[in-house]
Amino acid sequence: GENVEQHPSTLSVQEGDSAVIKCTYSDSASNYFPWYKQELGKGPQLIIDIRSNVGEKKDQRIAVTLNKTAKHFSLHITETQPEDSAVYFCAASSGGGFKTIFGAGTRLFVKA
Amino acid sequence: GAVVSQHPSRVICKSGTSVKIECRSLDFQATTMFWYRQFPKQSLMLMATSNEGSKATYEQGVEKDKFLINHASLTLSTLTVTSAHPEDSSFYICSASVGGYTDTQYFGPGTRLTVL
Repeated sequence: GENVEQHPSTLSVQEGDSAVIKCTYSDSASNYFPWYKQELGKGPQLIIDIRSNVGEKKDQRIAVTLNKTAKHFSLHITETQPEDSAVYFCAASSGGGFKTIFGAGTRLFVKA
Repeated sequence: GAVVSQHPSRVICKSGTSVKIECRSLDFQATTMFWYRQFPKQSLMLMATSNEGSKATYEQGVEKDKFLINHASLTLSTLTVTSAHPEDSSFYICSASVGGYTDTQYFGPGTRLTVL
């Protein structure tokens, strides 16, 4: 079955710096890759997603890149702010009755 | 848009009682709803998937008689934890999507269940 690995598990950056979180997946049939941000005591919030027919997607300070050949995708946050501090989860799914698989999460700390 | 609510946000109950958690899609019709369980500092563990009007599909290891799921309408799914025990204490989160797995899932705010 699908397996999603996420790195790093913890990331600490200075305010204004960039943060990059990487995920790899095992099922080549996966074609949908969302990223979620979860703040303490709250449910995950979708921040950006990408489908397998594109290689990159950007939304203001957030971007996601997808390398289908290597089966990895990354989240890039530029000009980080303290309010970006949260746990970020990547996920992969392929439809056809196969469930969405989540990565283990990355705890991002942005120091002011 | 794409707002999902959960009720209650927090519940404390005695061991042996049953607890019902509601999940509602407020501004869209959710063909599929998902129920997850999350332990502290861990990822989301899918418990079951439910499609409106059908029986829920449970993940391996999840007791369907203990975690009753009903998806009676396109905007409401409920999870009932029957005869709750302290080990059922956890953060329960639902999500909803218009379609299936490759359709975007929108998550509710979660329900913190504490069983004494």
